[in-house]
Amino acid sequence: QSALTQPASVSGSPGQSITISCTGTSSDIGGYNYVSWYQQHPGKVPKLLIYDVTNRPSGVSNRFSGSKSGNTASLTVSGLQAEDEADYYCSSYASSSTLVFGGGTKLTVL
Amino acid sequence: EVQLMESGGGLVQPGGSLRLSCAASGFTFRSNWMHWVRQAPGKGLVWVSRINRDGSNTAYADSVKGRFTISRDNAKNTLYLQMNSLRAEDAAVYFCTRDPGNYLDYWGQGTLVTVSS
Repeated sequence: QSALTQPASVSGSPGQSITISCTGTSSDIGGYNYVSWYQQHPGKVPKLLIYDVTNRPSGVSNRFSGSKSGNTASLTVSGLQAEDEADYYCSSYASSSTLVFGGGTKLTVL
Repeated sequence: EVQLMESGGGLVQPGGSLRLSCAASGFTFRSNWMHWVRQAPGKGLVWVSRINRDGSNTAYADSVKGRFTISRDNAKNTLYLQMNSLRAEDAAVYFCTRDPGNYLDYWGQGTLVTVSS
């Protein structure tokens, strides 16, 4: 049950695109197409952004997109806006119907 | 509207016990797997435990195995987390979350657990 690996921070200017990586193993990310991403603003509850690697829940902006290659998943935020400044967490299904989270990435909009 | 409302948090001494509750409404509770996720102050999200629809199958993070017990009462639409032998490192906000299929789509507001003498 080791945490997934995310960069501690990323940054970008308004209008630019950024990508956050999330690296696991063949026992989690690499073994299943069940990667999800969550956005958390300070003092707020996490919000689901992406599920099943690439799917967006209703109401989530199409500026957020997900992908996966091997043991690494990625979240891309395009057309950066000030409101995107938040913490982002990846998660993956792992064995025995457990979940594992990444350590989180702080996105700063310059 | 889906609502998850946690309660039961508070201050407890090391070695003590607490039982968290999560009252669910706005959806068919018995049809969903449920999880507990925690977040220590200033830290990241950590998965704690999950339970299947009828409560017959549970799983735990290694860090809480043998000390925490997840359960549910589908008649009362309520999820529980019994926490025993609490340690300082268990201090966190505990979130109740709904799992429609290997992801967490609704989160409660969380309940704060403080472990201190």
